[in-house]
Amino acid sequence: IAGITQAPTSQILAAGRRMTLRCTQDMRHNAMYWYRQDLGLGLRLIHYSNTAGTTGKGEVPDGYSVSRANTDDFPLTLASAVPSQTSVYFCATSDRGNSPLHFGNGTRLTVT
Amino acid sequence: GQNIDQPTEMTATEGAIVQINCTYQTSGFNGLFWYQQHAGEAPTFLSYNVLDGLEEKGRFSSFLSRSKGYSYLLLKELQMKDSASYLCAPMDSNYQLIWGAGTKLIIKP
Repeated sequence: IAGITQAPTSQILAAGRRMTLRCTQDMRHNAMYWYRQDLGLGLRLIHYSNTAGTTGKGEVPDGYSVSRANTDDFPLTLASAVPSQTSVYFCATSDRGNSPLHFGNGTRLTVT
Repeated sequence: GQNIDQPTEMTATEGAIVQINCTYQTSGFNGLFWYQQHAGEAPTFLSYNVLDGLEEKGRFSSFLSRSKGYSYLLLKELQMKDSASYLCAPMDSNYQLIWGAGTKLIIKP
C-alpha cells in the first residue's frame, strides 16, 4: 500500500540522548517535510527537502538536522534531546509546488 | 507578517450545516488548503482553492476570496464522524504552507 511510514510510533527519551526519527515514502514524491505539532499551536515546519540531495530550514530548525540521500528517505535527528522537543512529529510529502501534503501517522516523542 | 485566524472551537448539531471561517495574511499567495485532523491522527487533505469562488466536493465546500484574504469551509448534513479539527493553510509565494492552530468542531446528537 502506497504511503508514508514513520518510525517509531512513540518514544520516551532521556534528555541529552540522540534520536533519529525515520520517514520513508513509496510515492516517489519530490518534496518531503518534517513538522512538529504542539497542543494549541499550528503545525510548525522544522526542515524540508524539495528534492533528493537538498534540504532547507523551516520555522523551528534549531536542535534538529535532516538528510536526503535519496528520494524515499528523510530522517530527522535530534542531536541532544531537550524537554521542549516533546511533541508529535509528522513527516509529509508532496508531488510538486502546490500539491496537497500527504502525512505520515506521526511519532509521539516525550523527552524527560 | 504571515498569520491565520480561525475560531478555536465550534459546536454544531448532527444533520445541520456549519461554516468555519478563516482569514489570512501571507507574503504572496499560491492557493489555500483545508485539512481535517481527527484527534490523535494525521491531517488529511480536504480541499484546495486558488481562484475566487466556491469549490464543492460532496458534503464539503470551500470558498475563497483572495481580495479579502478570506476562506470558509462549509460542512453539510453533519455526521458524528465530522467531529475533528479543521486546519486552514494558505500557501505563500515560496510554496510554504502557513498553518493556524485549527478549529475544533464538536458535533452533538
